[in-house]
Amino acid sequence: NAGVMQNPRHLVRRRGQEARLRCSPMKGHSHVYWYRQLPEEGLKFMVYLQKENIIDESGMPKERFSAEFPKEGPSILRIQQVVRGDSAAYFCASSGGGTGNTDTQYFGPGTRLTVL
Amino acid sequence: EDQVTQSPEALRLQEGESSSLNCSYTVSGLRGLFWYRQDPGKGPEFLFTLYSAGEEKEKERLKATLTKKESFLHITAPKPEDSATYLCAVRLYGSGNTGKLIFGQGTTLQVKP
Repeated sequence: NAGVMQNPRHLVRRRGQEARLRCSPMKGHSHVYWYRQLPEEGLKFMVYLQKENIIDESGMPKERFSAEFPKEGPSILRIQQVVRGDSAAYFCASSGGGTGNTDTQYFGPGTRLTVL
Repeated sequence: EDQVTQSPEALRLQEGESSSLNCSYTVSGLRGLFWYRQDPGKGPEFLFTLYSAGEEKEKERLKATLTKKESFLHITAPKPEDSATYLCAVRLYGSGNTGKLIFGQGTTLQVKP
């Protein structure tokens, strides 16, 4: 079983540009979560999605950030008009939903965003 | 406010020197507690899930335990390859919670040969 895949692994953007981060969940998983890890800080929840639905976006900044998980294709985290403070590692996780073992979130390798 | 605190922040051990990492939590309703291992430049790797006080899980040199207020990750006779950052996270019950994990700051373990 392939694990959670994220691309690109490294992304460099200049201030004001857009960043698009992609996440393909593990096979059989329909729940996707995005987390951000700022330098010297812990992992912080951003958003939880199921296919075509945003379930919880309580951790998303109010402006410039959006996420989607379409019926076909990967989940996308989009950051518009990036600023230097957006530089961080962005991790995607997936789970099968439900309870017990299907509750476990498995993480991808992350995308490291650098804003110049 | 729901909070997860890990201690110590950093731990240096000699190979073979057993020790424990602590994760204390103050939350409204614990649905599950998760331990992950994170190597530099990589994503967190799942280790254990604990659901109720008194539960224990083991994997190789690692053993995780859970009480009503904290969890311990015991490392027995560690090897240099156990060097990593160990993350603790909780998932909560209650209205408004739909799956997010609340992470502690992590304990960075270094095992010297």
